[in-house]
Amino acid sequence: DSGVTQTPKHLITATGQRVTLRCSPRSGDLSVYWYQQSLDQGLQFLIQYYNGEERAKGNILERFSAQQFPDLHSELNLSSLELGDSALYFCASSTSGQGYNEQFFGPGTRLTVL
Amino acid sequence: AQTVTQSQPEMSVQEAETVTLSCTYDTSESDYYLFWYKQPPSRQMILVIRQEAYKQQNATENRFSVNFQKAAKSFSLKISDSQLGDAAMYFCAYRRVNTGTASKLTFGTGTRLQVTL
Repeated sequence: DSGVTQTPKHLITATGQRVTLRCSPRSGDLSVYWYQQSLDQGLQFLIQYYNGEERAKGNILERFSAQQFPDLHSELNLSSLELGDSALYFCASSTSGQGYNEQFFGPGTRLTVL
Repeated sequence: AQTVTQSQPEMSVQEAETVTLSCTYDTSESDYYLFWYKQPPSRQMILVIRQEAYKQQNATENRFSVNFQKAAKSFSLKISDSQLGDAAMYFCAYRRVNTGTASKLTFGTGTRLQVTL
């Protein structure tokens, strides 16, 4: 158990819908990262937040957005869902972004868009 | 942009034998971190081993060791005395020694390792 929690574990929805994935980082971790693992794109970085502020952005679609709240939990919002958004979404956390700070991964949320 | 390449989609090893997974990367940075992550069927991402680019000594963690060749931009993982529990997807990953607080991981496409009796 990495200490990072993600809810829900599984999510099945229809095209065009909107979903919210939630992540609670390890106690004391200020940085939260979101990654997407799909069959065609592999594992790719979406976005990073540090203490409530966006720090880095990867190949995140405009239909996707994220935020980190004052209690440091983070939410990834996916809207106008398409079949290709079906993937495993990981959240990871680290103490900060500086130096060597291991990123601890949550168990992931498996999203299926039908 | 940094890229990570794993050219072996699948590998197979017999129990108790040794296997080496390959990884190459491309970067213009001189200092960075390299990692091997294991993803078993449970899908959990587990850090296996890490290497700091400024360290010449190859990292070792029990049965896992790396061969880091900085000039060749090569970072292979050797698993000794393979066990059935080693069967998993293995991802090579790169991370800059960040300035500020941004530090994303860039992953390769993965190598699926089968362990046979």
